[in-house]
Amino acid sequence: AQSVTQLGSHVSVSEGALVLLRCNYSSSVPPYLFWYVQYPNQGLQLLLKYTSAATLVKGINDFEAEFKKSETSFHLTKPSAHMSDAAEYFCAPYMDTGRRALTFGSGTRLQVQP
Amino acid sequence: KAGVTQTPRYLIKTRGQQVTLSCSPISGHRSVSWYQQTPGQGLQFLFEYFSETQRNKGNFPGRFSGRQFSNSRSEMNVSTLELGDSALYLCASSLAAGEHTEAFFGQGTRLTVV
Repeated sequence: AQSVTQLGSHVSVSEGALVLLRCNYSSSVPPYLFWYVQYPNQGLQLLLKYTSAATLVKGINDFEAEFKKSETSFHLTKPSAHMSDAAEYFCAPYMDTGRRALTFGSGTRLQVQP
Repeated sequence: KAGVTQTPRYLIKTRGQQVTLSCSPISGHRSVSWYQQTPGQGLQFLFEYFSETQRNKGNFPGRFSGRQFSNSRSEMNVSTLELGDSALYLCASSLAAGEHTEAFFGQGTRLTVV
């Protein structure tokens, strides 16, 4: 079954540093890939989504992700971290066969140090 | 435009009891999905409703059920509660069912079973 692996359950960066959160999907190309963010005691908010229209996807708050089929990756990046970026980030493919639903990765908690 | 509203926000129940959680989607949205979030299992898909019909179901026991009303509001019910049902239950609404539609999440209902 299609799944994603998020490498690193915790990532810590300094304010102003590059943010890189890794997501690798398994074998078959997922039709759609999403990144969601969850702030403490909140629901999930969509950051960006890949729908095959373009491999480089720009999202909210200066986040972007590049779909790389050769590496089966969809890593999330941000050039300069802000304190407000501290949250948990989830990569999720949406499958259009079988169970049609978002299948979330295990999540990466981002800490931003002053 | 009002977001997804989940009630109640917090709930404490005793083992063996049953519980009903409510979700009011964004006005005009016809699809509602439910997810369970726990530290051990992460985010897991429960079920999805579209136009009052269950469209999709995750791997949860029959104690977990749901329904959707004609105004798209949805409820989920858990009977014979177990300690392991303690979790954050998230509801997401979409304009329609399917991969292209962005899912908007509520803040969740935190259920504690004692």
